[in-house]
Amino acid sequence: LAKTTQPISMDSYEGQEVNITCSHNNIATNDYITWYQQFPSQGPRFIIQGYKTKVTNEVASLFIPADRKSSTLSLPRVSLSDTAVYYCLVGDISAGANNLFFGTGTRLTVIP
Amino acid sequence: EAQVTQNPRYLITVTGKKLTVTCSQNMNHEYMSWYRQDPGLGLRQIYYSMNVEVTDKGDVPEGYKVSRKEKRNFPLILESPSPNQTSLYFCASSPFWGGELFFGEGSRLTVL
Repeated sequence: LAKTTQPISMDSYEGQEVNITCSHNNIATNDYITWYQQFPSQGPRFIIQGYKTKVTNEVASLFIPADRKSSTLSLPRVSLSDTAVYYCLVGDISAGANNLFFGTGTRLTVIP
Repeated sequence: EAQVTQNPRYLITVTGKKLTVTCSQNMNHEYMSWYRQDPGLGLRQIYYSMNVEVTDKGDVPEGYKVSRKEKRNFPLILESPSPNQTSLYFCASSPFWGGELFFGEGSRLTVL
């Protein structure tokens, strides 16, 4: 099961683009990369998922280099409401009995 | 409204008094799981279920039991709670393993 490494915390000013990088050196061929967001006292919420290159949705972009040993979640023009913990998960979505490792995530604080 | 519902949301109990935290989802999801969240340790998976009558241990199953008799329900049972089980608990469901996880609002449990 591929474990991930993320920065513990990051600060950013409102309106800036924020990039959170996740390291997953032991990623397996069938593993996908998924990011979740968690606000205080709430359950995590799915943001984005990808396998390689770039994925974009209305909330964020996910950049995955060719070797897939890392990935970067990009949040464009953050606002105060983006202050949250962001988790990077790596797992084989086609596998049978397995589980996902959330870790401690990256605490993003957006400053006015 | 599609949701995962946990009860109770808050509970204070005493050591050794059996309790059950219920989890119900109305999305016909096959996959359900329980997590606990503790400061500095992130989200850790307790048990998960791939479908009715199919359950398996996660990272921290000691002291917990689960059952999956119906697709929509996945209760977490603490037969003899201890203070080290004081935590914030989240139930989650997904249409399939590896798919987007939908989390409940959490249950904060205190064992005295």
